[in-house]
Amino acid sequence: SAVISQKPSRDICQRGTSLTIQCQVDSQVTMMFWYRQQPGQSLTLIATANQGSEATYESGFVIDKFPISRPNLTFSTLTVSNMSPEDSSIYLCSVGEPTGELFFGEGSRLTVL
Amino acid sequence: DAKTTQPPSMDCAEGRAANLPCNHSTISGNEYVYWYRQIHSQGPQYIIHGLKNNETNEMASLIITEDRKSSTLILPHATLRDTAVYYCIVRSGAGSYQLTFGKGTKLSVIP
Repeated sequence: SAVISQKPSRDICQRGTSLTIQCQVDSQVTMMFWYRQQPGQSLTLIATANQGSEATYESGFVIDKFPISRPNLTFSTLTVSNMSPEDSSIYLCSVGEPTGELFFGEGSRLTVL
Repeated sequence: DAKTTQPPSMDCAEGRAANLPCNHSTISGNEYVYWYRQIHSQGPQYIIHGLKNNETNEMASLIITEDRKSSTLILPHATLRDTAVYYCIVRSGAGSYQLTFGKGTKLSVIP
């Protein structure tokens, strides 16, 4: 399975600022996704990061708030813009294997004050 | 994707088999059953998946009923490190990688 590294692993930010989370995979993958896990909740899909084109966002998530880049098949970034305390969550990068499984990074724990 | 129903929590004695049920009565013919788990403060971990036949790997066994409306994940010898939230997810195998996570079952393995 692919090895997925996320940076930062955790951060504390002030409201109104933006934070970019990086996801690096040790092999080329076609499908990459970004999930959010709010405190005490299950995971929610934010968007599919498409290589070379705009990300596909799920209902309730918009590009202005969560811009995503996917410059190549091993790397993606998620930016959380103009943060508020409600954005305090764990943000997870995941990749899809050809066999159908999804594998996840360890997540980036964001606290907004 | 079909909706799943799982008990919110279960306990299991260390060393015993943990049997985690999942109901997916609206599953359609091309949908697979996937199981993931999330140990506290970690990303979800893939466990196993199946379509209609029972499956076994080094982590667990997956038993799917003949009508495919329910399944059971079996951890044959639970250890304390198996304490986690276990998610049963049904999704189309036709090129879709998106997972819709429910609330899962919180399994507590007790010494």
